Amino acid sequence: AQLVESGGGLVRPGKSLTLSCAASGFDFRNLYMAWVRQAPGKGLEWVSYITYTSSEKHYAPSVSGRFTISRDNRKNSLSLQMSGLRVDDTAMYYCAALGSRDNYMEVWGRGTMVTVSS
Amino acid sequence: EIVLTQSPDTLSLSPGERATLSCRASETLTNNYLAWYQQIPGQAPRLLMIGASNRATGIPDRFSGSGSGTDFTLTISSLEPEDFAVYYCQQYSRALITFGQGTRLEIK
Repeated sequence: AQLVESGGGLVRPGKSLTLSCAASGFDFRNLYMAWVRQAPGKGLEWVSYITYTSSEKHYAPSVSGRFTISRDNRKNSLSLQMSGLRVDDTAMYYCAALGSRDNYMEVWGRGTMVTVSS
Repeated sequence: EIVLTQSPDTLSLSPGERATLSCRASETLTNNYLAWYQQIPGQAPRLLMIGASNRATGIPDRFSGSGSGTDFTLTISSLEPEDFAVYYCQQYSRALITFGQGTRLEIK
C-alpha cells in the first residue's frame, strides 16, 4: 500500500492551492480517505475525511468553509482544495487511508509541505 | 469536540525500561474507539493500536494498549532504541476526529 502526496509549495495569504494524493497497492474505492496536517514542531491535526462514494465529507472547524475534499475512484486519487489560505495553515499535509471498519489512519503518505507566507 | 489530553508531555527513560503513556478523553469513547500512533522525527506517523488494545499489523508485542471509557494507556514493556519517538492518541468515536497533543519519549 502506498500514498504519494503532491501539490505543496509556497503560497501567499488569501490564495488557493490544491493538494493531490495518488494511491496504489490497495482497494482505494472501498476505504474512507483523510487529510491530516502537522504544523512545524507541532502535533497532528485531523483536517478532513471522505467516505467511499463521496456521500459524506467531514471537516475540522479550523478549515470548514475554506477547504474541500474530493476523490476520484477511477483514478485512485484524493484531493484537497484549499482556499482563503492563512499563515496558520502552514504545515505538512499527510494523506491517509482509514481502516476498513473504523476511522483510524491505517496507511500514511510521506506528506507534502504547504507554506503560507507573504 | 472530544479533547484528548496526553501525559506526560515528555518521558525520559533508558533502553530496557518500561514506558507507560496516558491518554484521557473529555468524554466516554464509544466502543473504545481510540488509536495510538508512533512518529519518528522526519517521518510520517505509524499506526500502533486500534480499539484501545488491538495491535496493528506488524507491531511488536512489547507494545500493548489498555483502558476504557475515558482513560487509556499505551505500555511499552522493554524499550528498544527505535522506540524513542513521539506518540499520539486519536479518537474516532465522533465524526469530528481529534488527536492528543503527543508524548515525547526520549532517551535518558
